[in-house]
Amino acid sequence: ELKVEQNPLFLSMQEGKNYTIYCNYSTTSDRLYWYRQDPGKSLESLFVLLSNGAVKQEGRLMASLDTKARLSTLHITAAVHDLSATYFCAVGGAQKLVFGQGTRLTINP
Amino acid sequence: DSGVTQTPKHLITATGQRVTLRCSPRSGDLSVYWYQQSLDQGLQFLIQYYNGEERAKGNILERFSAQQFPDLHSELNLSSLELGDSALYFCASSEWSGLSTDTQYFGPGTRLTVL
Repeated sequence: ELKVEQNPLFLSMQEGKNYTIYCNYSTTSDRLYWYRQDPGKSLESLFVLLSNGAVKQEGRLMASLDTKARLSTLHITAAVHDLSATYFCAVGGAQKLVFGQGTRLTINP
Repeated sequence: DSGVTQTPKHLITATGQRVTLRCSPRSGDLSVYWYQQSLDQGLQFLIQYYNGEERAKGNILERFSAQQFPDLHSELNLSSLELGDSALYFCASSEWSGLSTDTQYFGPGTRLTVL
């Protein structure tokens, strides 16, 4: 059974700092997704990582995928308050997505 | 706005009742997925339909059922509701080429409260 684990689950950081969220998954998959969720809102697709070594960047967020280690990272550079949200990674398998627990990120001024 | 619509936004009902949640996928998407998000279980996949046919099933209770209609909208029926069914229910849609898992676009969700 595919399992996806994120860490940390809670992250409080100051504006301007850098940090990384980690996503480990238990079985082989060549497709990994990152989503953002604001409180009480829907999930917004951020990145789709398709192959080993894939790296994608959008603004202050950069995601990478290492399929051999079954690890993806979401790196936040020079955090700003607007990035406060819950971030989920999800792994595609047999049509469905299996989500990690989510990382609640709070960025303080 | 993802293009996926869900109604109603909020639903408050009593234990033992039955409710229907509705979802319209993005234009052109043939695949619809239902997920449940709760504090204790996180985001869990319930069921997938592709062009009217059930394609994948997850942790969906027997009291729950779904269908996808010829116009591609989908309905999730929840019956004999229990307090523990209170959650946010998301619908997502994708093209689903059948070869791989395409990006799923999520609707705004229906918040179900069972009293």
